[in-house]
Amino acid sequence: GEDVEQSLFLSVREGDSSVINCTYTDSSSTYLYWYKQEPGAGLQLLTYIFSNMDMKQDQRLTVLLNKKDKHLSLRIADTQTGDSAIYFCAEKDSGGGADGLTFGKGTHLIIQP
Amino acid sequence: NAGVTQTPKFRILKIGQSMTLQCTQDMNHNYMYWYRQDPGMGLKLIYYSVGAGITDKGEVPNGYNVSRSTTEDFPLRLELAAPSQTSVYFCASSVQGDSPLHFGNGTRLTVT
Repeated sequence: GEDVEQSLFLSVREGDSSVINCTYTDSSSTYLYWYKQEPGAGLQLLTYIFSNMDMKQDQRLTVLLNKKDKHLSLRIADTQTGDSAIYFCAEKDSGGGADGLTFGKGTHLIIQP
Repeated sequence: NAGVTQTPKFRILKIGQSMTLQCTQDMNHNYMYWYRQDPGMGLKLIYYSVGAGITDKGEVPNGYNVSRSTTEDFPLRLELAAPSQTSVYFCASSVQGDSPLHFGNGTRLTVT
């Protein structure tokens, strides 16, 4: 079955860039997503990328996709304290099924002052 | 915009009790999902529905039941609560199967 892997923690200084990495196993993935979860809240969609793209930029967020290596990254420029959260990578396979997304375990982004 | 609304926010159950977690969405989405989130384990799909009257099992359906009598509502039923069902439950919806999911704020359930 599909598998999505992320490191559990990332610590960065305020003002630096954060790069959160994700690897996935399903080579037929169609869409890849990044969600943000703040404490006590649900998951908020940050951005997503279609598998035929290799980059997508949205303000401070840059998503890079290396389809050959099945590697996805999320770069947050000028990291702020409000970016402190858990970031989930998720993928949707191309099987056409409606069975939702496969999520990674989430990366805790810790901001140091 | 309400989006996806889940109730209750918190609940404590005794072993063997039953309860229904409510989920409603006002976006006219056909697809709805129930996930559970355990610490360090990401999200696991319990059940999903592609439209009113249609439901299917996800990865971890045991101990749960769902119904989808309307497009808006997708309640999750626990019949005999067990400590292993202590978790945070998230309901989500999407326009179609490969569209982004919109999540509710979750229900934190403790079974003791």
